[in-house]
Amino acid sequence: AQKITQTQPGMFVQEKEAVTLDCTYDTSDPSYGLFWYKQPSSGEMIFLIYQGSYDQQNATEGRYSLNFQKARKSANLVISASQLGDSAMYFCAMRERNTGFQKLVFGTGTRLLVSP
Amino acid sequence: GAVVSQHPSRVICKSGTSVKIECRSLDFQATTMFWYRQFPKQSLMLMATSNEGSKATYEQGVEKDKFLINHASLTLSTLTVTSAHPEDSSFYICSARDLAGEYSQPQHFGDGTRLSIL
Repeated sequence: AQKITQTQPGMFVQEKEAVTLDCTYDTSDPSYGLFWYKQPSSGEMIFLIYQGSYDQQNATEGRYSLNFQKARKSANLVISASQLGDSAMYFCAMRERNTGFQKLVFGTGTRLLVSP
Repeated sequence: GAVVSQHPSRVICKSGTSVKIECRSLDFQATTMFWYRQFPKQSLMLMATSNEGSKATYEQGVEKDKFLINHASLTLSTLTVTSAHPEDSSFYICSARDLAGEYSQPQHFGDGTRLSIL
C-alpha cells in the first residue's frame, strides 16, 4: 500500500486565490511527522511546513497552513493568496518513529500552476 | 538556516564513465544522509541511507555495486555512479538532518545533480 497518496496530479489556481493540495497517508505507527516540500522547476526541494502526529493544532507558516485530520489520515496543504511564484511541484512526505524518524517517504506530488 | 551543498549540479558524460557526486552539510553535523533519485515528472525515490563510519543501507532494488556510497565524515557523503549508462541518467538529490535538531526538524536537501549519460 502507498504510504503517501496525492490524488491530484495537477491543480490550477488564479493569483490571489487560495488552493488546497490533498495528501492522505497510511501508517500504523502512532508517532510520525508529516512534511510538505515545494520543488520549483530548478529542482531544489524547499521545506514548507511540518505537522507532528501529536500536535493538537494545525501547523501554519505564513501563507501555508496544514489541514490535519488525524482520524481521516489526511494532511492537506492550504496556500492562501496564491502568487505566481507558487507554481511548482508540491510533495507531501512522512517520517515514522519506527524508522528512527529518519526515512522520509514521498507522495507522487501535485503540480500547481498559478495563473495571472 | 541549515544548508546542504551538493556538487556538481550537472554532469554530462560518456557511457562507461564513473561519476562522483558530493553532498556536504555546511553548518551542521549529520551522521546520516540520504540519497534520492528522481525521474522526470516523478517523485523522489530513496536509494540509500548513508551512515557515517559504516556501510550504507540500500533500498530494495538498488544495486550496491553500481551506486557506491561513502560517508567518511560527519559533513560529507559521496555517491559514485560506477560505469554509468544512459539508463542511469536522472536527477540525484541528497538530504541530511541536523543531529542536534529535534525529530520534528525537516531534512534539508541539496540542490540536486542532473546526470546525463550519452
